[in-house]
Amino acid sequence: KAGVTQTPRYLIKTRGQQVTLSCSPISGHRSVSWYQQTPGQGLQFLFEYFSETQRNKGNFPGRFSGRQFSNSRSEMNVSTLELGDSALYLCASSPQTHNYGYTFGSGTRLTVV
Amino acid sequence: GDSVTQMEGPVTLSEEAFLTINCTYTATGYPSLFWYVQYPGEGLQLLLKATKADDKGSNKGFEATYRKETTSFHLEKGSVQVSDSAVYFCALSDNQAAGNKLTFGGGTRVLVKP
Repeated sequence: KAGVTQTPRYLIKTRGQQVTLSCSPISGHRSVSWYQQTPGQGLQFLFEYFSETQRNKGNFPGRFSGRQFSNSRSEMNVSTLELGDSALYLCASSPQTHNYGYTFGSGTRLTVV
Repeated sequence: GDSVTQMEGPVTLSEEAFLTINCTYTATGYPSLFWYVQYPGEGLQLLLKATKADDKGSNKGFEATYRKETTSFHLEKGSVQVSDSAVYFCALSDNQAAGNKLTFGGGTRVLVKP
């Protein structure tokens, strides 16, 4: 059974640019969540999508956005990149509810220069 | 709001030693509790979970019991191996909130020496 796939694995962008990250969940999982991991702030929740609808959103500026497609694949976009956006971005998928636990991908390492 | 507090690391142990990582939480409802492990350069792997009070989660020799009275979910392993060296995260999911959202502790780095 394929796991959660995130692409690309590594990305280097310049300040002011925008970036799109992709996540393919485990087949049959309809919930996709995104997290940002940094040494200073730890793991922080960005947003969660279920059946193409955003169900929950963390405390991030509007530059961070996402979407989910009908096949449950999800993308997140960060516009007007700042140096502080450098982080590991993790995607997690779940069948439906919290109690099942979440399966994480290996992440996309974004470096903003 | 919800929060998770876990002991700061690094925790350095010898092989076959006993490991305990403390985790306490604050939540408005009755959360589900999780332990995740992260190996260098990788994402998070679910280690174990517990969904209600007094539940014991276990996996690969690790155990944690959901203690509602002390709002704790301490992780234990009786005999660690070098391969257990990793960062461990305690997390909760608020079952009353709409949608899925994990709140994480700061992580505890564990180093097991041969």
